[in-house]
Amino acid sequence: AQSVTQLDSHVSVSEGTPVLLRCNYSSSYSPSLFWYVQHPNKGLQLLLKYTSAATLVKGINGFEAEFKKSETSFHLTKPSAHMSDAAEYFCVVSDLGGATNKLIFGTGTLLAVQP
Amino acid sequence: DAGVTQSPTHLIKTRGQQVTLRCSPKSGHDTVSWYQQALGQGPQFIFQYYEEEERQRGNFPDRFSGHQFPNYSSELNVNALLLGDSALYLCASSLFGGAVYEQYFGPGTRLTVT
Repeated sequence: AQSVTQLDSHVSVSEGTPVLLRCNYSSSYSPSLFWYVQHPNKGLQLLLKYTSAATLVKGINGFEAEFKKSETSFHLTKPSAHMSDAAEYFCVVSDLGGATNKLIFGTGTLLAVQP
Repeated sequence: DAGVTQSPTHLIKTRGQQVTLRCSPKSGHDTVSWYQQALGQGPQFIFQYYEEEERQRGNFPDRFSGHQFPNYSSELNVNALLLGDSALYLCASSLFGGAVYEQYFGPGTRLTVT
């Protein structure tokens, strides 16, 4: 079965400093991995996706993530945090074993950005 | 082009009652998935509907049921509400057979059971 573990429930950074949100995955085969962001009172939004192409994936708003099979990791990074990045971030794996490719979410990391 | 819409935004119910949540998919989408997001947790898959049939179900009891209408909109019904059913219920729409990541989420319905 597929699963993801987000290693930090809360991360706090200062505006203009780098962001690192950590995610490890477990999968019996080559996974498809994603990062979603959830702002208060808004729907989940796809930040970026890895689907067995390039291991370094670039997403929206300057975020990127690197798929590392040897470490079973898919950490999310951004060089310089902005106040508008404050939100909850979910690492997600798709369940390709099912007929409908449901999404399996981690427990989330709440990112706070201090001025 | 309207995205995924859900109603109501908030709902307060009493234990033992029944509730119906509604979802209208993004224009052009024919598949609706429902997720439950408890406080401090990630969303968990409840079930998915396509062609008015339940195609896959997560680990949720039969108290959770759904329906899809010919216009692709969907309802989530929960019977005999428990305090533990308090959560944000998210609807996601997609095109059947499309990429798994091409699911668009609505803002959710916040259900509080007292």
